Amino acid sequence: EAQVTQNPRYLITVTGKKLTVTCSQNMNHEYMSWYRQDPGLGLRQIYYSMNVEVTDKGDVPEGYKVSRKEKRNFPLILESPSPNQTSLYFCASSLELGHEAFFGQGTRLTVV
Amino acid sequence: AQSVTQPDIHITVSEGASLELRCNYSYGATPYLFWYVQSPGQGLQLLLKYFSGDTLVQGIKGFEAEFKRSQSSFNLRKPSVHWSDAAEYFCAVAPGGSQGNLIFGKGTKLSVKP
Repeated sequence: EAQVTQNPRYLITVTGKKLTVTCSQNMNHEYMSWYRQDPGLGLRQIYYSMNVEVTDKGDVPEGYKVSRKEKRNFPLILESPSPNQTSLYFCASSLELGHEAFFGQGTRLTVV
Repeated sequence: AQSVTQPDIHITVSEGASLELRCNYSYGATPYLFWYVQSPGQGLQLLLKYFSGDTLVQGIKGFEAEFKRSQSSFNLRKPSVHWSDAAEYFCAVAPGGSQGNLIFGKGTKLSVKP
């Protein structure tokens, strides 16, 4: 089954404790991206990757890092999480930039 | 700058009634257009998309959308709403081809009255 898999689905952490949210897709898509969703703000793109070892900032990249060492994986790293990063995070992949995106189930992160 | 506007934050309709969710975009050329649905606790699922051709597109779950170039709109419609349609709906645009990212509207939450 074609899918985008994120882990974990739920995470509560403390300020400053590094964490990684994993994302994997099995559709051989070249383009992957991370979004955060906050009430009243819709989805805002954090980072995206157009291929292996090619990443770029989206609209709200501060406080986040990503890597794309393999085509299928695109982890999101928070080196020093802060409470304003409490949000619902989505990973997405698509065959090409600007085409329909396939979304993971989301990761609800709470930073206390 | 490109933008997507969904003017209605929250809409309530009765089950069986018709539905129209509005979406307007700001972009010079005709972009690629999408509607996504997000059920509570779920990720986003693509309902339909428009790239070119016939301006009335059919999607899953009985939804359709009409692209109107003159109004820069891509409104989503359904003739008869079911209780299971209660969800949040997002319009998204992309410049087309490999020209840029998807840009999402802020969403419209749909509630369905029995």
